[in-house]
Amino acid sequence: KNEVEQSPQNLTAQEGEFITINCSYSVGISALHWLQQHPGGGIVSLFMLSSGKKKHGRLIATINIQEKHSSLHITASHPRDSAVYICAVYLKNTGNQFYFGTGTSLTVIP
Amino acid sequence: DAGVIQSPRHEVTEMGQEVTLRCKPISGHNSLFWYRQTMMRGLELLIYFNNNVPIDDSGMPEDRFSAKMPNASFSTLKIQPSEPRDSAVYFCASKTRVQSYNEQFFGPGTRLTVL
Repeated sequence: KNEVEQSPQNLTAQEGEFITINCSYSVGISALHWLQQHPGGGIVSLFMLSSGKKKHGRLIATINIQEKHSSLHITASHPRDSAVYICAVYLKNTGNQFYFGTGTSLTVIP
Repeated sequence: DAGVIQSPRHEVTEMGQEVTLRCKPISGHNSLFWYRQTMMRGLELLIYFNNNVPIDDSGMPEDRFSAKMPNASFSTLKIQPSEPRDSAVYFCASKTRVQSYNEQFFGPGTRLTVL
């Protein structure tokens, strides 16, 4: 059983569309991260959340602790946003490691 | 800072051979993680170290896998003997402050192919 679930698994959008990727988790967490992995393979951290909402450019991340759910939104999507987006959590009382969602593969078509 | 450094970037080997993957974490980081990524299973934690000490190796698939961190600036992941099912991308990541929930910095990965 995976403690972290993401949806959708694959997403294709037209340039300019508003995109939402969802992450749900089943147990208590200390923090949640959104990661981005480009086709070249490198993984970078986009956001760390423990409550509320964060915004960076066209990216917005929200978390609802009570509902155990987080969303990553991309406004005015662009082909360069094409990547795999991965939700990763630090579970409470389970140490120092990430638990990962399965990832969402996003393709933005010009 | 150069970021997390991994070598080699690509490795092709034959079944039964020994493979050693190397990682240099970011200077000053106290935690180091080894992950494996496959299409079927996504990202999985293999092992992590805090202050050079292995903390959780429950993700290491079997005795063929071993990892060491002899000092704060170097870690190895060894597979002996290698098998085709070990083919994957192996990432090393590091972070500051053991007891924190902050960002992990990933290396570029080593793409391993076992024929």
